[in-house]
Order: sequence, then structure tokens, then C-alpha cells
Amino acid sequence: EVVLTQSPATLSLSPGERATLSCRASQSVSSSLAWYQQRPGLAPRLLIYDASNRATGIPGRFSGSGSGADFTLTISGLEPEDFAVYYCQQRSSWVTFGPGTKVEIK
Amino acid sequence: QVHLVESGGGVVQPGLSLTLSCAASGFSFSSYTIHWIRQAPRKGLEWVAVISHDGNIKFYADSVKDRFAIFRDNSRNTLFLHMNSLRAEDSAVYYCARQRDGAAWYFDSWGQGTLVTVSS
Repeated sequence: EVVLTQSPATLSLSPGERATLSCRASQSVSSSLAWYQQRPGLAPRLLIYDASNRATGIPGRFSGSGSGADFTLTISGLEPEDFAVYYCQQRSSWVTFGPGTKVEIK
Repeated sequence: QVHLVESGGGVVQPGLSLTLSCAASGFSFSSYTIHWIRQAPRKGLEWVAVISHDGNIKFYADSVKDRFAIFRDNSRNTLFLHMNSLRAEDSAVYYCARQRDGAAWYFDSWGQGTLVTVSS
């Protein structure tokens, strides 16, 4: 099973700041990685797939990078609605999700 | 607009069964592979099962294999998950999720979820 580790567990930032979230896989997943946003009480929303492709309707402030085993989600300029939990997900070997990074208001 | 609505959750005793439904609208349901994904309270996400667009191909997570069955009725635009021999660790919000067209095993639309609680 591919284990995904996300860091930090919690990120405390102010609106307008840049957020950098990390996802590391226990083995290479090539570029087969996605990022999801989950706001409290809501279902997850696909943000990024294949490591760097924005999903339909996702604002340009969200960007993804990386390949192999190390990936980054960057939010350039946090909006109030961006404070949420972010999960990475790999599809290289079945499907597993990371434990999540909570982006909270500082 | 894509819409997925789960139902059928509730409180059930260990060892018993429950069937969840997912009603789809706003897209060509019969053309899409659909998944079930669950989230235990205050926990992360766990993939559960997948069914191909025509219902002929199904896969399950090891944790539910031989206990859960996924099936669909394309004439009614509805997905199902029949859960047998339920355990406490099956307690979770269960989401149905549409697989992204042209990008297997990514999930581009999710329902709001239905809560299953396994408890005596």
C-alpha cells in the first residue's frame, strides 16, 4: 500500500498569505497525485489532478507541483474560503489518501 | 449541474446489514465509473469500492471485501452499496463520487454523504 504523509498537520496563516502544503509518498507514484479541499461539513472538492492540472472551475491561486514521491500544493494569497482541510490522494497503486493538512486562520 | 445524493444511512447493530443508495442527476450516469469513499468521524478518507459504467467491473478495498457489494441500476440513475456483517470500524460518512472523465481514479464530483453508525 502506498502511504501518503502530509505536512504540516496544521498551518496557521492570515488571509492574503501564501500557503505551501507538502505530500510525500512511501514510493514513487509518478505524477498520479491529486489534491482535494474539504470545508467543514462538506464533501471534498477536487482541486488538482495529475500533480499539476487544475480541475474545472478551480481558481488560479491554487497550483500543484512535484513528481515521484514529493508533491506540493501552493495557494498564493489565501482567501477566507480557503481555510479548510486539504488531502492528497494517489492513484498509482489503487487509491490512498493522506491524513490531511488543516489550514487555519492565524 | 452534477448532483449526487446519498441516502440509507443510520444506526445499525454490529453484524447486521444496510444498503446505501446514491441518486445521480445532471449528467449521463450510465457513462461514468462511480466509487464509494468513506470518512470515519474526525478521520481521513478511505476508498471503499468502484463499479464501471456498465456494472461489469467491480473492485473493493481489502477492509470490506467479501462483506460489501456495489451495484448500480442505470435505468434509475442510482448506485448502491450493500453492506453485510457490519463492524464498529465501518462507522463513517459514506460518499459516492464520480470518477473524472479521462482520468481514472480521480473524483470530480461528490455527494453530501450519508452517515452510518454501527453500534449496539
